[in-house]
Amino acid sequence: DIVMTQSPDSLTVSLGERATINCKSSQSVLYSSNNKNYLAWYQQKAGQPPKMLIYWASTRESGVPDRFSGSGSGTDFTLTINSLQAEDVAVYYCQQYYTTPRTFGQGTKVEIK
Amino acid sequence: EVHLVESGGGLVQPGGSLRLSCAASGFIFSDYWMHWVRQVPGKGLMWVSRVKTDGGNTGYADSVKGRFIISRDNAQNTLFLQMDSLRVEDTAVYYCARGAGAVSRDWHLDLWGRGTLVTVSS
Repeated sequence: DIVMTQSPDSLTVSLGERATINCKSSQSVLYSSNNKNYLAWYQQKAGQPPKMLIYWASTRESGVPDRFSGSGSGTDFTLTINSLQAEDVAVYYCQQYYTTPRTFGQGTKVEIK
Repeated sequence: EVHLVESGGGLVQPGGSLRLSCAASGFIFSDYWMHWVRQVPGKGLMWVSRVKTDGGNTGYADSVKGRFIISRDNAQNTLFLQMDSLRVEDTAVYYCARGAGAVSRDWHLDLWGRGTLVTVSS
């Protein structure tokens, strides 16, 4: 199974500042035939189901604010939230969809300082 | 508007069974792979199972293999999860989710239901 490891486990950021979350996979999730990274990011607010944020490591889902961005390739990925807003308080998960079983990172809790 | 609505959760004793349902609306259900993901309250997400568009291909997490069966009824736009030999550690909120891409492709999970709580306790 591909193990997904996120860092840090929690993050406290001031309003308007940048939040950076890292995700590392135990093996590459880059599919060579199409040069796509099978890596997604989800946001889960308290009491709500997860919501799709970013797929193919860097493609924003429709309606997601452009302060959210994803980067990385192979085994190392980053979710960046520029100019953090109060409504961004949530737990963020990365997930690989390169192979089954689909595996998630343990989650990173983002809070406001 | 697209929706997934889970039902069937509840309290069950260890060793018991439960059948979850997920009703889909607003999209062509038969075009999409479907998944179950669970979450112990206060903990992270764990992928449980998936089923292909026609129900002919399934996959499971090792922890549920041999105890859970995923299936679907495309005529009724409904996904199921039959859970047998339930254990205390199966206690979680169970979400159904849609695999993006449609037909032969099963990518990220682009649509989620609100979940149904399964509690396994004596």
